[in-house]
Amino acid sequence: GNSVTQMEGPVTLSEEAFLTINCTYTATGYPSLFWYVQYPGEGLQLLLKATKADDKGSNKGFEATYRKETTSFHLEKGSVQVSDSAVYFCALSDKGAAGNKLTFGGGTRVLVKP
Amino acid sequence: DTGVSQDPRHKITKRGQNVTFRCDPISEHNRLYWYRQTLGQGPEFLTYFQNEAQLEKSRLLSDRFSAERPKGSFSTLEIQRTEQGDSAMYLCASTLGLNLGYGYTFGSGTRLTVV
Repeated sequence: GNSVTQMEGPVTLSEEAFLTINCTYTATGYPSLFWYVQYPGEGLQLLLKATKADDKGSNKGFEATYRKETTSFHLEKGSVQVSDSAVYFCALSDKGAAGNKLTFGGGTRVLVKP
Repeated sequence: DTGVSQDPRHKITKRGQNVTFRCDPISEHNRLYWYRQTLGQGPEFLTYFQNEAQLEKSRLLSDRFSAERPKGSFSTLEIQRTEQGDSAMYLCASTLGLNLGYGYTFGSGTRLTVV
């Protein structure tokens, strides 16, 4: 079956530091990959996505590259801000399966201190 | 259209009571999904609809859970005889999915607390 593994948090950083959150996946088909962000008290927001190997998703200074050879989709940001404090979820959707339902990792809490 | 709306935002209920949640998706989205998120975990798939048809249900969805999407618009999720283990955030999402891996739009969720 499909699964997503991401690094456990919390990750605590100072403002302007570099952020990396590791994500690896197992899928039976050819998944699309996503990063979602959840701010306190809110629902999940799509941060970025990549639908095929070697695609790079980017948004709000965050980037992630779909690496089929290492089955990874690591999230990076070069200079974090306090407003980036949130929980980040890596997810996949198996395009070959009906329904396109998402399989999520356990989430990584990021805390950015001023 | 302002996105996916869920109502209520919070629900506290006594064990054994029935509860119903509502989700209003983005109007042109034909697929609607329900997920459950427990504290500190990622969301887990419960069920999904394409238009008014419920096409898949997770094994997580016991007989006490039922979901409907009459007329392919809003959806309701009912939990009968609630148990403390049902305490979680229930998330609704919608998409105009065509097996192309589009991202979903999530609502803010309904947080259920069973006491």
